[in-house]
Amino acid sequence: GAGVSQTPSNKVTEKGKYVELRCDPISGHTALYWYRQSLGQGPEFLIYFQGTGAADDSGLPNDRFFAVRPEGSVSTLKIQRTERGDSAVYLCASSLFAQTDEQFFGPGTRLTVL
Amino acid sequence: AQSVAQPEDQVNVAEGNPLTVKCTYSVSGNPYLFWYVQYPNRGLQFLLKYITGDNLVKGSYGFEAEFNKSQTSFHLKKPSALVSDSALYFCAVRERPGNAGNMLTFGGGTRLMVKP
Repeated sequence: GAGVSQTPSNKVTEKGKYVELRCDPISGHTALYWYRQSLGQGPEFLIYFQGTGAADDSGLPNDRFFAVRPEGSVSTLKIQRTERGDSAVYLCASSLFAQTDEQFFGPGTRLTVL
Repeated sequence: AQSVAQPEDQVNVAEGNPLTVKCTYSVSGNPYLFWYVQYPNRGLQFLLKYITGDNLVKGSYGFEAEFNKSQTSFHLKKPSALVSDSALYFCAVRERPGNAGNMLTFGGGTRLMVKP
């Protein structure tokens, strides 16, 4: 079956621009997560959705970052006024139920801010 | 707060030898523990998890891990390494229900190099 997909695979933008990153989770998975992975580090949590609502957004670094999941399936991570420090691989994951199930990760979007 | 430590940046092992990748964790309650593997230019792939029950859990590709509560460890092991096991391995922890976050906290990763 289809796994988690993310688009685009690569995104190059200029400092100050706005970007949107899309995640399409595995069909039927109610939980969706965004993580950010910088070079040489493990993924760091950004935000978690249960259904349409953001159940935990404590990992978002500042108010330039925002994410939505309006129909409980596809999610979009939005970054305003990008900065060079935002450059990283943005990973999306989904799971059936939040508690004990493993998270299935997408291939990531590599964001480069020039 | 929950945290994970992977004390070795890199582990080198000869093909056919046993391998161990170390992981220790810290949570305020009881943990759920996970191992993931990352191949170049690919997403994280789930290997195995400890939820409850038997402390020795078996996962994909012949990997296993042992949960040790007293040492707060969850080391990844394989009896006989393959060159194709060479990749980046991440340990992750989630605190059991009571923590509303449900997020995974990852270690910094350990690069496994298996030489022919």
